[in-house]
Amino acid sequence: RKEVEQDPGPFNVPEGATVAFNCTYSNSASQSFFWYRQDCRKEPKLLMSVYSSGNEDGRFTAQLNRASQYISLLIRDSKLSDSATYLCVVRKISGYNKLIFGAGTRLAVHP
Amino acid sequence: GAVVSQHPSRVICKSGTSVKIECRSLDFQATTMFWYRQFPKQSLMLMATSNEGSKATYEQGVEKDKFLINHASLTLSTLTVTSAHPEDSSFYICSVVRGLVTDTQYFGPGTRLTVL
Repeated sequence: RKEVEQDPGPFNVPEGATVAFNCTYSNSASQSFFWYRQDCRKEPKLLMSVYSSGNEDGRFTAQLNRASQYISLLIRDSKLSDSATYLCVVRKISGYNKLIFGAGTRLAVHP
Repeated sequence: GAVVSQHPSRVICKSGTSVKIECRSLDFQATTMFWYRQFPKQSLMLMATSNEGSKATYEQGVEKDKFLINHASLTLSTLTVTSAHPEDSSFYICSVVRGLVTDTQYFGPGTRLTVL
């Protein structure tokens, strides 16, 4: 079983749509959680950290459920520029700063 | 501006040759650098953790004699893929952290290696 699992998609949505991505992780000792964005053939870029209380950054809302080991990302009012692959990332407590990446969920926003 | 640079951005080589990839921290001295590999439609996989002045720590299943890492200074780490084969074709990405173990990792733009 993969340590971080995501639905690969692709999610094809029209501009203005709301889309939600889910992620599960297997290691209950995981310490920190993030969503990264990766454009085709580019490096991943940090989108936002995920906190237990839930957090929002503009059109993006992230939620964490430690009991269910589940992380989500909600994108409201999708823009064409949101088209990318969204990576769910977990930091383990041991092995300092080791990030475990999910394979990503691809989003395609069309006009 | 960019925090991390990688060189080259793309390389095509013949099977059996060795390829060196450089990772430079541009904004700060990085005590730790990480090397990742990403195959098409797969997740980034950590290959090794590179600490300045000491031997790199390799992840399970990564051959240290094939993927040579040299962290010569606080701003430069190199990854050499020795005797490259087509199955080594991948996207290699480095990242750097300033110091603390929970610091943000800044990723380089990646190097796309194609072995013919």
